[in-house]
Amino acid sequence: EAQVTQNPRYLITVTGKKLTVTCSQNMNHEYMSWYRQDPGLGLRQIYYSMNVEVTDKGDVPEGYKVSRKEKRNFPLILESPSPNQTSLYFCASGLYRGQSTGELFFGEGSRLTVL
Amino acid sequence: AQKITQTQPGMFVQEKEAVTLDCTYDTSDPSYGLFWYKQPSSGEMIFLIYQGSYDQQNATEGRYSLNFQKARKSANLVISASQLGDSAMYFCAMSYLSGGYNKLIFGAGTRLAVHP
Repeated sequence: EAQVTQNPRYLITVTGKKLTVTCSQNMNHEYMSWYRQDPGLGLRQIYYSMNVEVTDKGDVPEGYKVSRKEKRNFPLILESPSPNQTSLYFCASGLYRGQSTGELFFGEGSRLTVL
Repeated sequence: AQKITQTQPGMFVQEKEAVTLDCTYDTSDPSYGLFWYKQPSSGEMIFLIYQGSYDQQNATEGRYSLNFQKARKSANLVISASQLGDSAMYFCAMSYLSGGYNKLIFGAGTRLAVHP
């Protein structure tokens, strides 16, 4: 089954404790991206990756890191989480189609609370 | 700068009626893509429909159609014959090239409630 898998789905942590949210896709997609969703703001892009070892900042990258060592995995790292990073996070993947990303496939979301 | 605007925070519609969800966008690039996604209360994001900026005809997918008016920079979603299961949050999105890379930005969303 084609899917994007995120873990953990739910996490409560404390300020400053490093955490990683994993994302894995089994569709051989070049394009992967992380978004955060906050009420009234829609989804905002944190980082994205066009292919292995190719990553770039989205609109709200501060406080986050990513890596793309393999095509299927795109982990999101919060080195020192703060309460303003409490949010719902989505990982997505898609085919690179020139001027458009094409349809994105989303993971089920990871709800993170930072106390 | 590229921007997506959804001006309706919430909408409601009677079951079996049609409803239009508004979306306007701003870009100076001639090449871009427009999307609609549905997010039910369970939280997952579901792709609904896509329109390319060079597509001559409006996109349709079953009960969903995208009313693409390029000169007005609008990409409204029309849902015909609404069903109770259509109650969800709906997001309009636009993809474009920035610095040689593709980006995808979302509007703030519209919450649709379908009443029996």
